[in-house]
Amino acid sequence: DGGITQSPKYLFRKEGQNVTLSCEQNLNHDAMYWYRQDPGQGLRLIYYSQIVNDFQKGDIAEGYSVSREKKESFPLTVTSAQKNPTAFYLCASSIGSAGGYTFGSGTRLTVV
Amino acid sequence: GIQVEQSPPDLILQEGANSTLRCNFSDSVNNLQWFHQNPWGQLINLFYIPSGTKQNGRLSATTVATERYSLLYISSSQTTDSGVYFCAGSSNAGGTSYGKLTFGQGTILTVHP
Repeated sequence: DGGITQSPKYLFRKEGQNVTLSCEQNLNHDAMYWYRQDPGQGLRLIYYSQIVNDFQKGDIAEGYSVSREKKESFPLTVTSAQKNPTAFYLCASSIGSAGGYTFGSGTRLTVV
Repeated sequence: GIQVEQSPPDLILQEGANSTLRCNFSDSVNNLQWFHQNPWGQLINLFYIPSGTKQNGRLSATTVATERYSLLYISSSQTTDSGVYFCAGSSNAGGTSYGKLTFGQGTILTVHP
């Protein structure tokens, strides 16, 4: 079945560590996105990518980095510069600029 | 960027009741979509509805793009409808939105048996 796979489901990070969240899709979608969701809140855009080897900052990119070396993959690194990284992270993809989003099941990141 | 306002913020229903959720946008949008987030956090795309009306089983949605709002109707609600409903859209301004969705704060729906 086609879909988006995020891993791991749960991740614990120590202060000062970088961690990388995985997002893989087999939908042949061109565009991919990373969103952050805090408790009781809506989703906020971190980074997005329209095509391979290209990505753009979203509304809250500080402290995060991404890469898009393959169409299927869009990993997100949460760096030590992100001061409040504890959140639910959601990856999504769409076929292009005008199309419905498909979301992965998310990664819950906790700083310990 | 655009602002997305959803109402009501919370809604409690008895099983079998009908409901209407509303989404207002501060500016014209495209790519308007409705999502349901289940208690485990999974977001499911309910409708891609930049304009007009669509129906899928007990759910239907209507978008009036010229007046910058969209409605989601849930009929004969069931306990499995519980969760958070989000609407989202991309700004039309400058043609640079490229599918970037701005989300509302959500409507928390609780359906009691």
